[in-house]
This record gives sequence, C-alpha cells and structure tokens, in this order.
Amino acid sequence: GIQVEQSPPDLILQEGANSTLRCNFSDSVNNLQWFHQNPWGQLINLFYIPSGTKQNGRLSATTVATERYSLLYISSSQTTDSGVYFCAVGVNTDKLIFGTGTRLQVFP
Amino acid sequence: DADVTQTPRNRITKTGKRIMLECSQTKGHDRMYWYRQDPGLGLRLIYYSFDVKDINKGEISDGYSVSRQAQAKFSLSLESAIPNQTALYFCATSDSRQGDTEAFFGQGTRLTVV
Repeated sequence: GIQVEQSPPDLILQEGANSTLRCNFSDSVNNLQWFHQNPWGQLINLFYIPSGTKQNGRLSATTVATERYSLLYISSSQTTDSGVYFCAVGVNTDKLIFGTGTRLQVFP
Repeated sequence: DADVTQTPRNRITKTGKRIMLECSQTKGHDRMYWYRQDPGLGLRLIYYSFDVKDINKGEISDGYSVSRQAQAKFSLSLESAIPNQTALYFCATSDSRQGDTEAFFGQGTRLTVV
C-alpha cells in the first residue's frame, strides 16, 4: 500500500519563527489533506490540497503531485500552533492514509 | 454545534464488556468512517461506509463491528473490549457528490479498557 512519511518528527520553535513541514508519499494520490491535532486531541482541517498551492492566514501549503510531496509552511509561529500536524492521502477512493505526524512545540 | 458529533467523548470500560461508540453528522455527507489513533501514531481505518447499506472493512477491523443506521448515523461496537483497544477513536465523513473528497472529523472518543 501507499506509504506516507512526514518530516521532521519533532520541531521546537520560539514564537515568531517560521517552519516548513514535509510530507512524502509513495504513489499518485487524488486526495491530500493537512490536519492540526491540538493538545485536546481534536483534528482540525487545515488544507485540502491534492495539488497546487493554498494559503490561509499564516499558513500555506504546496503539493507537487508529480514529485509526490507536499509542504506545509507556518510563518510567525504562535504558541497556539503547538500540537501535531498530520498529512493524510487518499488513492482512488477517499479512504485516508495518515503519516505519523510532526510534533510542533512553540515556546514564548 | 459540531457537524460531526461523537458520543461519548470519554469512556472507561472493563475488559470483556460490550461498548458502542456513536457518530452522527449534519453535513448531509454519504460516506462515513471510523478511525483509531494510538499514542504517537497517525490514524488507522477500522471500517467505512459509502451508503446506508454499504459496510467495508478497513485496515484494522478485527474485534470491531459497525452499523449504519441511517445516512447520518454510524456506530462502532467493541463486542468484548480488551486493553489493547484503548485508543482515541475518530468518526469522519466525506461527500462523494462533491468535486473534492475532503474528510471532516468528529471531536474524538477517548476509550480506556481496564
């Protein structure tokens, strides 16, 4: 089955710093989503982005489908950005395969 | 109110007990899913349903069963709970009739089997 790898596994930042999270996948996909899991365990949809680039405030994402990777950019980090960021992909159906996540800690 | 609602939010149960987790949605989506998350890992698919009379096994269906009572309701049962089923459980929905296949998740149910 398709493999989803996220890097780095852990990231520690000071408030105000920028960061880039990466998601590599091993096959062509027709669905790619980025989620933020907050400290209370809730999964928050960030982007639906099987290809192209999207921006939402301080966050943006780019998926290069032909090269099988996606990047999530976080600018001017805030402590509320802390949590785990998941990439999930779907192939031909909308069943999602999740990566193991990037744990982000932002300190004041 | 949340579009995808899971009940209960937290549950502690004893080994061998039967337990049901419930999910309801107001999004009008036709597809529903149950996922499980273990500490430090991503989510894994347990069961999914593309319509009321459609039930499909996911990656880790052993020890679980589901029921799609209506388009808006999808329940997950553990017939005889065991400690390694302690996990965070998520219900999700998506809409096959839209141009995209974006999935939306409930708040999660934290289940502890002692």
